[in-house]
Amino acid sequence: QVQLQESGPGLVKPSQTLSLTCTVSGGSISGGGYYWSWIRQHPIKGLEWIGYIYSSGSTYYNPSLKSRATMSLDTSKNQISLDLSSVTAADTAVYYCARGGHSGYDQIEYWGQGTLVTVSS
Amino acid sequence: QSVLTQPPSVSGAPGQRVTISCTGSSSNIGANYDVHWYKQLPGTAPNLLIYGNNNRPSGVPDRFSGSKSGTSASLAITGLQPEDEADYYCQSYDISLSGVGVFGTGTKVTVL
Repeated sequence: QVQLQESGPGLVKPSQTLSLTCTVSGGSISGGGYYWSWIRQHPIKGLEWIGYIYSSGSTYYNPSLKSRATMSLDTSKNQISLDLSSVTAADTAVYYCARGGHSGYDQIEYWGQGTLVTVSS
Repeated sequence: QSVLTQPPSVSGAPGQRVTISCTGSSSNIGANYDVHWYKQLPGTAPNLLIYGNNNRPSGVPDRFSGSKSGTSASLAITGLQPEDEADYYCQSYDISLSGVGVFGTGTKVTVL
């Protein structure tokens, strides 16, 4: 059973970079040809896809983030990371790490529990 | 930002049937991309309910069913139960979003 656990600071100041890590257990992030995602949920709002990183390292980002997002894999630690630069209050959300299928069109099969990040001075 | 529109809320009495629509366009559902559905309880991550338009993962009751036609999809819940009260989201893929998926606006189901 694949398990995902997000970690990172719960409070980030405006204009700084938000950095989160997702630790995966029960499977290798570099094997199986899966898509690994970061998804966020704003308070009282719906879900927004931040981007994918494929097990090969290829990345796809939501254009609405205007190139502020960067995702990477650390295969030695079996972790996926997210950096989101120049944050504002609008980036306050619960951030989820998730694993999809073998295609970017597939469903999300595994989710982390989510971590709340608040952007405030 | 979402390009998939759902009704904000639906409600029904126990035992009734409710449906949730997910309306898209020719760049997502209408482009023949699959639709998936998730159920989210307060304070928890979404959980897969339907995948590939009309398939249930193991453990999901057959009271839940999905369908897709044209640029829309629907989730039906028959024999509504108190534990069905939750938020529900559809998900698909949109060719205008640089390879990233998209979620619906979400629907709150209330069991009266």
